[in-house]
Amino acid sequence: DTGVSQNPRHKITKRGQNVTFRCDPISEHNRLYWYRQTLGQGPEFLTYFQNEAQLEKSRLLSDRFSAERPKGSFSTLEIQRTEQGDSAMYLCASSSPGGTGANVLTFGAGSRLTVL
Amino acid sequence: QQPVQSPQAVILREGEDAVINCSSSKALYSVHWYRQKHGEAPVFLMILLKGGEQKGHDKISASFNEKKQQSSLYLTASQLSYSGTYFCGTDPPNGGSQGNLIFGKGTKLSVKP
Repeated sequence: DTGVSQNPRHKITKRGQNVTFRCDPISEHNRLYWYRQTLGQGPEFLTYFQNEAQLEKSRLLSDRFSAERPKGSFSTLEIQRTEQGDSAMYLCASSSPGGTGANVLTFGAGSRLTVL
Repeated sequence: QQPVQSPQAVILREGEDAVINCSSSKALYSVHWYRQKHGEAPVFLMILLKGGEQKGHDKISASFNEKKQQSSLYLTASQLSYSGTYFCGTDPPNGGSQGNLIFGKGTKLSVKP
């Protein structure tokens, strides 16, 4: 297993355009998470899935953001009508509950979005 | 709800020790520690569940004081490879450890030769 894979690694777009990021989790992990990280800050939770069900979505996530995980495998995060404030690193992580029941996250390398 | 980390930054010489603290205003179920090197993904170090247990990972250990709602990360005899930004992540107040963590702003650790 090669870990969590994210594509594209970098995306530069103009304000108002739509962008989509893809995440392929570790195959045996049933949970998949999206986080956003800006310079000098810790990762900020956006949403997560268990298999194909989206279980939680952050209140900070505007309606322009949508995430899917069809068939419980890879996931996509789409941002519509991008704004300059959307510029950030979008991190995907996956997990499965360990023996303690706690979910330990394995992060991908991230997709960096720059909105001009 | 965001945990508060201290210090914000620390510079060490190789072989020196450091302590990074993480405090929350809310009751905690677990505390997760991650290290992120520049331009790379955060990497999991350890998780501590409520109960005051202490864990170790090579020369890096951590404690969790449930009553004080804080955790500390101890780096002993630091190595150049320890350089990076350390984040603590805590669970939201609704309990359990679902992975939807709230991360602190990080502590930047620089180890010099």
